[in-house]
Order: sequence, then C-alpha cells, then structure tokens
Amino acid sequence: DAMVIQNPRYQVTQFGKPVTLSCSQTLNHNVMYWYQQKSSQAPKLLFHYYDKDFNNEADTPDNFQSRRPNTSFCFLDIRSPGLGDAAMYLCATSRIRDSLKYFGPGTRLLVL
Amino acid sequence: GIQVEQSPPDLILQEGANSTLRCNFSDSVNNLQWFHQNPWGQLINLFYIPSGTKQNGRLSATTVATERYSLLYISSSQTTDSGVYFCAVTPNSGGSNYKLTFGKGTLLTVNP
Repeated sequence: DAMVIQNPRYQVTQFGKPVTLSCSQTLNHNVMYWYQQKSSQAPKLLFHYYDKDFNNEADTPDNFQSRRPNTSFCFLDIRSPGLGDAAMYLCATSRIRDSLKYFGPGTRLLVL
Repeated sequence: GIQVEQSPPDLILQEGANSTLRCNFSDSVNNLQWFHQNPWGQLINLFYIPSGTKQNGRLSATTVATERYSLLYISSSQTTDSGVYFCAVTPNSGGSNYKLTFGKGTLLTVNP
C-alpha cells in the first residue's frame, strides 16, 4: 500500500533538456516536500508546499521549480539540467509542517 | 540553523553483534526521525521519537530531549541491516519548524 509514489524511479536526461519528476500521495497530507540527495551526502530540502502555498529554500537554484495542481500531486521541474543536478530526488509529505514526514522511494536522475 | 551530528560515521559488524548509533543536535526539537536508507536509495522511517523510548523488534531508540541527543540500538544485527542510518530533526523555534535537517549518516556494514 504505497503512500508516497514517485515516477519514474530512474530518469536519464540530456544536458540542458527540461525534465519533470512526479510525486503523488494517498495520505491526504497538507504538506509536500522535495529533497535533493547527491552521492554520499545527506538529503537537502529544495522547497515545500503547504496546501497551495509554495515555500522556496533560500539556496535552491532558480533552475528548479515546482507545481502542485492538487492535494495529491506535486511535480519537480528542472528547466535546464546540468551535470551537477544528477542526484536522487526524494518527495516527502506530512500532515502539518512539524509532524512526521513520510518519504517516497525517490527518483534517481542521470544527466548525460 | 540547527546542527545535527551523527557518530560513528562508519561501523562494521559481524552478524549477530549489537550496536549503538548516536545523534547529537544543537537546539530543542519538535520532531526527530531515524531512517534507514536501503541500497536502492529509499528512506525507510524507523522511529518518530522527539522524546522517550520506543522499540520495534530488534531496533529501539531513545531520545533525551533535555540533553539534545538520541540513540539508536540495533541488536543481533543481520546483513540486511546494512546501509546508511540517518537522524533528522526539525527545530522547535524560529521559522524552520517544517524543515527536516539531516545528519551526515552512519554507514553500517554487517558481514556474514
């Protein structure tokens, strides 16, 4: 019974070619997050939505954007992927901002 | 922002051995989670434990919030316990009470 689903699990894109990663949830949680995890590093928060309210982290590059068309879905758009954007992208949800976070299985992005 | 330190950074065990992983944090927290990241990159939530003690099978965790540390105990380790263990917290105060900040993790290898 997957609660946070990410598609695709693996994504290969070309340098500079826009790519979209998808996250959906069956928990009806208010908050959805996107984390980036580079090799051998800890996950790092890019941004989050509280309902429709978008909150960007100060150090998230402009190249990264997000959309949340409804409660269940959230998308991560990388406008012009560079080699340094190759990473695992993790989606998470929580009922409210300071409550337990549930993570999806992640999408591993490779940039050629 | 809040600092999270995990120790040891690496740990090698023989199957059947016990271990203790430590997480120190620099400020009071309203959320503390322990995760196991499996070889496929998925973050598996082990415990949600901002304070107190919890047990789940061979694993248990204790958080002493007043002294700003948490411990994860693994007993009778198995090869499937191998992977990276992350501690992550959200601070009580300030504007970052939504933001899960991760430690650098402990890489556990359990040999048969």
